[in-house]
Amino acid sequence: QQQVKQSPQSLIVQKGGISIINCAYENTAFDYFPWYQQFPGKGPALLIAIRPDVSEKKEGRFTISFNKSAKQFSLHIMDSQPGDSATYFCAASIAGQNFVFGPGTRLSVLP
Amino acid sequence: DTEVTQTPKHLVMGMTNKKSLKCEQHMGHRAMYWYKQKAKKPPELMFVYSYEKLSINESVPSRFSPECPNSSLLNLHLHALQPEDSALYLCASRGGPATDTQYFGPGTRLTVL
Repeated sequence: QQQVKQSPQSLIVQKGGISIINCAYENTAFDYFPWYQQFPGKGPALLIAIRPDVSEKKEGRFTISFNKSAKQFSLHIMDSQPGDSATYFCAASIAGQNFVFGPGTRLSVLP
Repeated sequence: DTEVTQTPKHLVMGMTNKKSLKCEQHMGHRAMYWYKQKAKKPPELMFVYSYEKLSINESVPSRFSPECPNSSLLNLHLHALQPEDSALYLCASRGGPATDTQYFGPGTRLTVL
């Protein structure tokens, strides 16, 4: 029940395209859903986050869509750029304590 | 300033050594975390400190010993590690009850010979 599933495992997108990464969870007690971006050799950096009372949140080129009834949420990266090439992790937490991460998606944006 | 610093950046140690990892933040955050990350895997939670008290220990072997000397510092003491403990060790901190945002440090790359 603590697991967060994430797909796809890897994703190749052309420059200017839309990258879409999906996550699903089981535990309805989760109340915070962040997305992290990680470059090789670096720590994860928060991209954008959402709470279950909101269905969509947009920050620049990044949008989270949240479907509470389906227990799914997704990250959309519009106008993908080569600099977006990184590993992306979705995560979930309860009251900011136990953060559970998805297995990650390696995104490659081709120039 | 949203910086979490970690030292050292790299550490190589033998299985009989004792070493410590250090994490520091000056954002006034009262929750601090240790994670372990293996290559091509997500971070795995090890320990959580809340208001300088250990609140979560995810069944981590006793060869890893956390310490929170004050609200800005978090240490991870290492003793008698195994080669499979080689990984990137990440520290993170989180603000007060009004925010769940975690800020990660750059990590310490640990190699156990």
